[in-house]
Amino acid sequence: QKEVEQNSGPLSVPEGAIASLNCTYSDRGSQSFFWYRQYSGKSPELIMFIYSNGDKEDGRFTAQLNKASQYVSLLIRDSQPSDSATYLCAVNIDRGSTLGRLYFGRGTQLTVWP
Amino acid sequence: GAVVSQHPSRVICKSGTSVKIECRSLDFQATTMFWYRQFPKQSLMLMATSNEGSKATYEQGVEKDKFLINHASLTLSTLTVTSAHPEDSSFYICSARVALAGGYSTDTQYFGPGTRLTVL
Repeated sequence: QKEVEQNSGPLSVPEGAIASLNCTYSDRGSQSFFWYRQYSGKSPELIMFIYSNGDKEDGRFTAQLNKASQYVSLLIRDSQPSDSATYLCAVNIDRGSTLGRLYFGRGTQLTVWP
Repeated sequence: GAVVSQHPSRVICKSGTSVKIECRSLDFQATTMFWYRQFPKQSLMLMATSNEGSKATYEQGVEKDKFLINHASLTLSTLTVTSAHPEDSSFYICSARVALAGGYSTDTQYFGPGTRLTVL
């Protein structure tokens, strides 16, 4: 069974701090990984994706992937109160096919306090 | 770019009625669309994969006769919840993959704003 695990939190950090969100996955063959942000009552919005081991930076966000450890993380630098949301980790479970289905973790609730 | 719309955004219906939800990709063609359901405080659960011009592929445990999916064009997929019951009340979200030239698609899914269904 393909699983994506996240610490549900809540994670609480002060404004300006670095928020670190973690995700592990069970399918060693997974190839692509996504971070989405979901505000309460809204649908997910894409933050970034990562395919290769290492770090990928986009503005204040950095995704880190370690396929050997089956671990992907998201760092948010200079956290702002507007970053308060639930962060969803998603893994493409259809390696080798064109289906492109995503398996989502339960999400980590982040609160950034002023 | 990559905007996905859903209609309606909210619907309240009586038990036993059918409800149709539309998902449209507004500025791109989507060879594949996905339908998810999300209960409060839960994650997104994939219900089915919808490909243009072919039958939808349903995830294990999802009743295909209850959740009818039609992908009529490269920009429109519909989900019909038939004979809805209170336990079908949920947040239904669609997503779409961008179709690139040559028939390929990116992995990235873009989500619609969701439809909140309440069955009385």
